[in-house]
Parts: sequence; C-alpha cells; structure tokens
Amino acid sequence: DQQVKQNSPSLSVQEGRISILNCDYTNSMFDYFLWYKKYPAEGPTFLISISSIKDKNEDGRFTVFLNKSAKHLSLHIVPSQPGDSAVYFCAASDGNEKLTFGTGTRLTIIP
Amino acid sequence: EAGVVQSPRYKIIEKKQPVAFWCNPISGHNTLYWYRQNLGQGPELLIRYENEEAVDDSQLPKDRFSAERLKGVDSTLKIQPAELGDSAVYLCASRGGGSSYNEQFFGPGTRLTVL
Repeated sequence: DQQVKQNSPSLSVQEGRISILNCDYTNSMFDYFLWYKKYPAEGPTFLISISSIKDKNEDGRFTVFLNKSAKHLSLHIVPSQPGDSAVYFCAASDGNEKLTFGTGTRLTIIP
Repeated sequence: EAGVVQSPRYKIIEKKQPVAFWCNPISGHNTLYWYRQNLGQGPELLIRYENEEAVDDSQLPKDRFSAERLKGVDSTLKIQPAELGDSAVYLCASRGGGSSYNEQFFGPGTRLTVL
C-alpha cells in the first residue's frame, strides 16, 4: 500500500525554465510534508518542508504547494539549473516521527 | 560540521553469510534512524533510536536483523543470515534535539549486494 506516490519516475526540463514535481498521498493523517534531493552515491538531503496548516512555503528558487483537499503537493523550481539534476523524494509524516517516502522522480535539467 | 558517516560504502556477500553496517551520526544528535532503500523505491524506516534506546523497531525483521547503539552514539545494523532479498542500500540518518523532528540528515548509505 503506497501511501505516498510520485507517479512520474522521470522529468526533463530546459535550463532556466520551471520544474514541477508532483506528489500524491492517501493518508489523511499526514500533517507534515518534506522534499528531499538525492545525488548518486549520496544520501538524501533535506530541501524544503510544509505543514498542513499552510498551503505554500517558499525558499529561494524552491516553492512547495499543498492542496489538502486533493491530497496533493508539488515542488516548483524556478529557474531550473543544471545542479538541480537529481532524484527528488516526497515524504510525509503523521506526527509519529516516521517518514513515509515516495518512490522518487529523477529530474534532468537540459543545458 | 562533519556529516553522518557510514561504512562500508559497498558490500558484496553470498547468501546465508552475516553482514554488519556501521554508522556514526552527527556529533550531538540524539536521534538515529536506519532505513532500507530498495531499487526504485524510497527509503523505509527499519529502526529509530533516542540515545541508546530503540523506540521504534516495528519494521525491523527481527528474525535476521539486529541493531545496537551503545553509549547512544555509534550504531551497528546486522543481518544474519543474509538473503537475496536483502540487497538494497542501507541508510543511516540522525537528528539533533533542537531541529524539527522531521529534518533528518542522511549518510551516503551502504550498498549491499547478496549473491
């Protein structure tokens, strides 16, 4: 039972354009959501998070949007840069310190 | 500040052999996590420690997996005996008491291949 789903295994975007990565969840008890970025042969690195009491959180080029009614969140990267090429994981928590991860989306930025 | 250190980075063993992974968390981080990441999947929690106490080991296959965190610092994860399905990347993460409970710092992982 995949409670956090990232339906796009891969995404290619031109440098300078906007990258939009999507994530859906099924557990209505999730109240905190995170995005992690992972380079090859490295562990995931925390990128940005959002609490369920908000619908948007912004940090520089990265913005996360949360639509609770649709159980959907998205990560926007603008403008996209070559260094953004990585695997992005969406994760969710229901307050018990356990993170449930999605399967990841491989983002490739085309110069 | 040094990050989470894991060793070995790669391990190849034959099935039924034992294997152990070591993790040194970020200095001062009381919470330590072990995750398993299968190919094409996201990380899945195996066990969480608060200092030396295992507070969540509900996902740890206790028939063959064991873990310890002596003195509340370094931790080891052991598999005995290993099975083919144990091939995965084993990730260690840690979190400091002052940080958001969800913002974990991950190590580079140990890639295990069971032949």
